[in-house]
Amino acid sequence: DAGVIQSPRHEVTEMGQEVTLRCKPISGHDYLFWYRQTMMRGLELLIYFNNNVPIDDSGMPEDRFSAKMPNASFSTLKIQPSEPRDSAVYFCASRLGGAGNTEAFFGQGTRLTVV
Amino acid sequence: RKEVEQDPGPFNVPEGATVAFNCTYSNSASQSFFWYRQDCRKEPKLLMSVYSSGNEDGRFTAQLNRASQYISLLIRDSKLSDSATYLCVVTLNQAGTALIFGKGTTLSVSS
Repeated sequence: DAGVIQSPRHEVTEMGQEVTLRCKPISGHDYLFWYRQTMMRGLELLIYFNNNVPIDDSGMPEDRFSAKMPNASFSTLKIQPSEPRDSAVYFCASRLGGAGNTEAFFGQGTRLTVV
Repeated sequence: RKEVEQDPGPFNVPEGATVAFNCTYSNSASQSFFWYRQDCRKEPKLLMSVYSSGNEDGRFTAQLNRASQYISLLIRDSKLSDSATYLCVVTLNQAGTALIFGKGTTLSVSS
């Protein structure tokens, strides 16, 4: 398996533009997570899905952020409109099963810069 | 929400040293605990799970104290390759689904 795949790896956009980040989880994993990492706040959980259904989106900072998972092999995180304070590394992770000590596997991240 | 607290460091140690990292968590409902490692500009990767009885993996030893809501990681005989950020991780709730990360402790091992 190729692991969790995220695209793009880097994104530079102007304030006010729409940004869409993409994630392909590991095949067979039923949990998918979106995290944001900054120096100040560390790794923050934004939202997670179980079997394509959003379970907890309490970490989504504002209504400008939205996430979807139309099928088991694809998820998007959208920011509209983007702002400079959204600049961060966004990670997608997937995991098999809900309980126990199962490992979460991370993608390589999307480094977003909003200017 | 500061659910997982870690000393950010950095910890600067020579090769061969023993170093310990500590972590506290606020949610008593957390069921699973982990240490992840993150290299500079890379994604986090699982280092080891943490079990109630404590567990060891080579030079690494993890301990859990549920009563104090405290987790530790001990690294013996530090190597240059151990230089990284170590993230303390707990599950969000009793269902043990989402992982909540501390901000990490940075370790730098020098020759």
